[in-house]
Amino acid sequence: EVQLVQSGAEVKKPGESLKISCKGSGYTFTTYWIAWVRQMPGKGLEWMGIIYPDDSDTRYSPSFQGQVTISADKSINTAYLQWNSLRASDTAMYYCARHGAGYAPFDYWGQGTLVTVSS
Amino acid sequence: SYELTQPPSVSVSPGQTASIACSGNKLGDKYASWYRQKPGQSPILVIYQDTKRPSGIPERFSGSKSGNTATLTVSETQAMDEADYYCQAWDGSTALFGGGTKLTVL
Repeated sequence: EVQLVQSGAEVKKPGESLKISCKGSGYTFTTYWIAWVRQMPGKGLEWMGIIYPDDSDTRYSPSFQGQVTISADKSINTAYLQWNSLRASDTAMYYCARHGAGYAPFDYWGQGTLVTVSS
Repeated sequence: SYELTQPPSVSVSPGQTASIACSGNKLGDKYASWYRQKPGQSPILVIYQDTKRPSGIPERFSGSKSGNTATLTVSETQAMDEADYYCQAWDGSTALFGGGTKLTVL
């Protein structure tokens, strides 16, 4: 069974750093892309970027380029989303999702990680 | 920048058919996918490559496309279908989501 299991909810202060994770299982982790998707409270889905864990090829949405870092450790089937300096506006639910090669859909999603940034 | 446009809300009576449109420039040249998200849950894929249904998705869910508009149709709508629905397409190596449509089953 394909599963994407994300790390737990986080509460941080503005200016703090954070790294959340997404662990894949039930499939060959290195042959699918992992995407990160933001959902701000009461809002829609926003694609942040993707990584191909086999070679760490990474693409970012222009809206998120320079704001976050996406990485992966294929030895432990885990992808990461990282912030160096959080802002209150980063408060959101963050989902990871898997997709295949090319213009494939996001066929499996993680359970989401709620990040709350508040002073 | 490329955008996908959906109506904010659609209402339907139980047992009737609901249609949710998604329009975008040159969407006719791209594949559209659709996701359902119930409150407090992660999105799930319900339609991909415009018309295909993943295993486990009821036949009541269907997709179509005409020109630059993709449409998700939910037949014999049930209360359990009430959710937010998002279309999605790729613009080059960038994925885009529509703004979402809240389907209300009255």
